Amino acid sequence: DAGVIQSPRHEVTEMGQEVTLRCKPISGHDYLFWYRQTMMRGLELLIYFNNNVPIDDSGMPEDRFSAKMPNASFSTLKIQPSEPRDSAVYFCASSPPGQWGNTIYFGEGSWLTVV
Amino acid sequence: GDSVTQMEGPVTLSEEAFLTINCTYTATGYPSLFWYVQYPGEGLQLLLKATKADDKGSNKGFEATYRKETTSFHLEKGSVQVSDSAVYFCALSKGAQKLVFGQGTRLTINP
Repeated sequence: DAGVIQSPRHEVTEMGQEVTLRCKPISGHDYLFWYRQTMMRGLELLIYFNNNVPIDDSGMPEDRFSAKMPNASFSTLKIQPSEPRDSAVYFCASSPPGQWGNTIYFGEGSWLTVV
Repeated sequence: GDSVTQMEGPVTLSEEAFLTINCTYTATGYPSLFWYVQYPGEGLQLLLKATKADDKGSNKGFEATYRKETTSFHLEKGSVQVSDSAVYFCALSKGAQKLVFGQGTRLTINP
C-alpha cells in the first residue's frame, strides 16, 4: 500500500514568494496532520483535520500560513508570502479512524528553503 | 499542557552496547505512548507503542514499558547495531490522536 505522499520533496524559493506543499494521505484514513520540524523548535503540530474539517489550527504560526483539505485524498499547506524563517521540513501525516492510540503515519517530508 | 521530555543527545555508543534513552511525560488522564525513529533524510516511522499502563511495546529488538507510577517510557535495546543510528522521538497522544513529541535524541553507533 502507498504511504503518505508529499510533494515537492525539496523546494528552494525566494523570500516573498508563495509556497504550496501538497499531501495525499493513506486511503481510508480520516485524520490528517501537518507538522513542521526545525532544529530550534523540534517537531511542531501546525494543524490537523478530521473528515476534511480543520479541528485545531492553534499551531499555525501566523496568517501567512493556511491549510485546506478539499477532499479526503488531498491537502495543501500554503505560505504566502514566504520568509527565510519558514525554512524547515514540513511533514504531512495521517491516521485511521476510531480507536485511542492509533498509529500516525508520516510522509517523507517537504524540505523547504527560503532564501 | 501535556509534554514529553527526553534525555538530551547526542548519544554515541559502540556496536553491541546496551542502549537506554530516557523519556518522561506530563499529562492528565491516560495517554498512549510512542517511540518514533527518523533515519537521515526520511520521515518518521513508528518504532513501538503502548496504550495502557504496564504495557510493553517491542519491535526490532527495542523495548519500552509504560510506567504510570513514574510517568516514564524509556527505550532500551540490548545490543545496538550501526544501522540503529538515527534520531529517536518519544511522543504521547490522547483522545484527538494528535501527537506531542519530545525534542528527539540523536543516536550514533560506531563500528
